[in-house]
Amino acid sequence: DVKVTQSSRYLVKRTGEKVFLECVQDMDHENMFWYRQDPGLGLRLIYFSYDVKMKEKGDIPEGYSVSREKKERFSLILESASTNQTSMYLCASSFIDSNSNQPQHFGDGTRLSIL
Amino acid sequence: AQKVTQAQTEISVVEKEDVTLDCVYETRDTTYYLFWYKQPPSGELVFLIRRNSFDEQNEISGRYSWNFQKSTSSFNFTITASQVVDSAVYFCALSEWKTGANNLFFGTGTRLTVIP
Repeated sequence: DVKVTQSSRYLVKRTGEKVFLECVQDMDHENMFWYRQDPGLGLRLIYFSYDVKMKEKGDIPEGYSVSREKKERFSLILESASTNQTSMYLCASSFIDSNSNQPQHFGDGTRLSIL
Repeated sequence: AQKVTQAQTEISVVEKEDVTLDCVYETRDTTYYLFWYKQPPSGELVFLIRRNSFDEQNEISGRYSWNFQKSTSSFNFTITASQVVDSAVYFCALSEWKTGANNLFFGTGTRLTVIP
């Protein structure tokens, strides 16, 4: 089974802090994604990566950055946390198939509160 | 532009009732994929089904069935004889075909509560 592991289930940080959310997958997937989930808005894509050191902006990248130094690990960074970044963050991964779009597999999520 | 609409925000049914979750999508691509995910209270999104735009056959998996109709741009999900364990938020998602990373566009989700 695919396993996507997010480092924390719950995290509380203060405004202005630099926050790191870590995600590791064990299936050698090329693609990795970061989403945030807010009530009434569904999941929105923040950033994604299709290879080591490669990154692409999603729909809401402002206030975030990412890092992918190794294939299995994809980090989301809040450069200076703000209260409007309080949310559930979900990491996902998928492999590249030249013939079809493969499903993404998700971690358990990190519920981040910024005080 | 891509869009996925799940008009039903919340649904409550009594155990053993059948329930249908609606999903309507918009895309300009001729090749695309549709997905359903389940998010139980634990938080993890669980993949349920993938369907490509060229395959309009309905699918049944146990108590779950999916009805894909391109003519109405809908991909509805029916649970037969619902159970308490079906209580979750269900998301419909669209992915347009391209090589490399294929992003998912999610609907806002439908929260299903099955009452014992």
